[in-house]
Amino acid sequence: QVHLQESGPGLVKPSETLSLTCNVSGYFISSGYYWGWIRQPPGKGLEWIGIIYHSGKTYYNPSLKSRVTISVDTSKNQFSLKLSSVTAADTAVYYCARDLSSYGSGNDPWGQGTLVTVSS
Amino acid sequence: QSVLTQPPSASGTPGQRVTISCSGSSSNIGSNTVNWYQQLPGTAPKLLIYGNSQRPSGVPDRFSGSRSGTSASLAVSGLQSEDEADYYCAAWDGSLNGWVFGGGTKLTVL
Repeated sequence: QVHLQESGPGLVKPSETLSLTCNVSGYFISSGYYWGWIRQPPGKGLEWIGIIYHSGKTYYNPSLKSRVTISVDTSKNQFSLKLSSVTAADTAVYYCARDLSSYGSGNDPWGQGTLVTVSS
Repeated sequence: QSVLTQPPSASGTPGQRVTISCSGSSSNIGSNTVNWYQQLPGTAPKLLIYGNSQRPSGVPDRFSGSRSGTSASLAVSGLQSEDEADYYCAAWDGSLNGWVFGGGTKLTVL
């Protein structure tokens, strides 16, 4: 059974860089699929951030592209998110998920999510 | 402002059938399949319907999905109290080269 778990600081100062890691268990990232990040501001809807393949190929949300970097470390079976120059608008629960779009499906499973607050 | 449009709320009584709509465009729903997610209070979203109408293992057949043109819908029949949740539609957008979501519909069981 595939399981994803996000980790990282819960508080980030404005203008700094948000960094999160998603640890994957039950499946080797190097075996395939895309892996991605999605966020949800408190009380609001879902926003797709981006995805990465084990080869390193990425797709990013155009509205965040200038500030986002997603990377993968197959040796640790994890992938990471960096979002630079954060503001209060970046406060959200950040989820990592397996992306099955190349198989005609959606994001499944999801991690439990981690709340990141941007505040001084 | 979400790329896909959903009603903010829907409701029904136990046993009723409720439908939730999702409207998009030719670059997303019109050319790619639609997925639906269920988000119970305080939890992560869960894939409920994929490929317009397919149910992952474990999802009750009370949930069904369909797509027509640039719109899709989710139907919940035999409504139960545990169906009270937020529901999101999503589709890959070929113009944006990424996933787009609806704003979510809060389903209330009266």
